[in-house]
Amino acid sequence: AQSVSQHNHHVILSEAASLELGCNYSYGGTVNLFWYVQYPGQHLQLLLKYFSGDPLVKGIKGFEAEFIKSKFSFNLRKPSVQWSDTAEYFCAVNPDSGGGADGLTFGKGTHLIIQP
Amino acid sequence: DAGITQSPRYKITETGRQVTLMCHQTWSHSYMFWYRQDLGHGLRLIYYSAAADITDKGEVPDGYVVSRSKTENFPLTLESATRSQTSVYFCASRGEETQYFGPGTRLLVL
Repeated sequence: AQSVSQHNHHVILSEAASLELGCNYSYGGTVNLFWYVQYPGQHLQLLLKYFSGDPLVKGIKGFEAEFIKSKFSFNLRKPSVQWSDTAEYFCAVNPDSGGGADGLTFGKGTHLIIQP
Repeated sequence: DAGITQSPRYKITETGRQVTLMCHQTWSHSYMFWYRQDLGHGLRLIYYSAAADITDKGEVPDGYVVSRSKTENFPLTLESATRSQTSVYFCASRGEETQYFGPGTRLLVL
């Protein structure tokens, strides 16, 4: 079974700082990769996803992530964070099984706090 | 409005009671999922469904029952609620290989 590890459970940054959140997964086959964000009191929203092709993917709100296959990593980045980026961030994977009903396997989440 | 909705949004119940959480989606997605979110665990898959009348267990199915008589609805039932089932429950449906989540139901079992 696959697993997902997010290295930082809590991150505190000042506005305009650069952000990188780590995500590593374990799975022997091809996977689809996702980053979701959960703002306080809200449901999960998709930030970005990677299925194939260019390993550097861009998402909403200035976020991007890079898939490094050799490192089984899919780290999330943003060059300059804003106070409104305060949220919980989840990395998730599912096997690329060609349309199967596999659910997502989530990391435990990173709680990001941006100080004004 | 199109999308995925859950009801109730908040629920308080007592140990031993039966509780049903509702999920409705308007996209006609075939696949639907139930997750629970707990501090320190992220989200964990409870049950999923590939189509009407087809359901299967996820990572943490014990104590839960699901049904899928119609494509758009995927109710989750706690047959006899326990305190360990206090959690936030998210329903999701899958379209274009991406899962879209509902607003969640916050359940407290006393």
